[in-house]
Amino acid sequence: EIVMTQSPLSLAVTPGEPASISCRPSQSLLHSNGDNYLEWYLQRPGNSPQLLIYLGSIRVSGVPDRFSGSGSGRDFTLRISRVEAEDVGVYYCMQALQLPFTFGPGTKVDIK
Amino acid sequence: EVQLVQSGGGLVQPGESLRLSCAVSGFTFRSYWMTWVRQAPGKGLEWVANIKQDGSEQYYVDSVKGRFTISRDNSKNSLLLQMNRLRPEDTAIYYCSRNLRGDYANDLWGQGILVTVSS
Repeated sequence: EIVMTQSPLSLAVTPGEPASISCRPSQSLLHSNGDNYLEWYLQRPGNSPQLLIYLGSIRVSGVPDRFSGSGSGRDFTLRISRVEAEDVGVYYCMQALQLPFTFGPGTKVDIK
Repeated sequence: EVQLVQSGGGLVQPGESLRLSCAVSGFTFRSYWMTWVRQAPGKGLEWVANIKQDGSEQYYVDSVKGRFTISRDNSKNSLLLQMNRLRPEDTAIYYCSRNLRGDYANDLWGQGILVTVSS
């Protein structure tokens, strides 16, 4: 099973400032087809998770362009260029390369 | 409107069974892999199981293999999770979700339903 590590586990950000979250899987997520099977989800308080990014860097339709995903292999980053109040919640990375798919422990983002 | 509406949760005793349902509308259900994800109280997300478009392939996390069965009825636009021999550690909110691409990228989610296993 691929173990997902995230850092930091919590983050307090001033509105308008950038934020970044790191995700490091225990094995490379780079498939032979050249895609990285890494996804990012946001779970706002009391809500179901929401897919933000898949295949490492593809932003889902409707997700604001202040969210971006980057990285390859065993090192990935989610960046928020300018944090807004609605970005509060827990961010999870998930690997979809090898069954069972596994999530990171989550990074809680709050507003200062 | 695209919707995934879940039902079937509740309180059961250890060793008992429960069946969760996820009724889908607003998209062509039979064209998508579907997934169940759960979240224990105050904890993170855990991938549980998924099923191929025609139901011919199903995969499970080890902790539920042999006890849970994922299935689907494409004629009724319905996803099911039959949970047998439930344990206290199965207590969680269970979410159904649609896979946008192949068996990955869970882009649509149900509202979640609570399953509590306790004596």
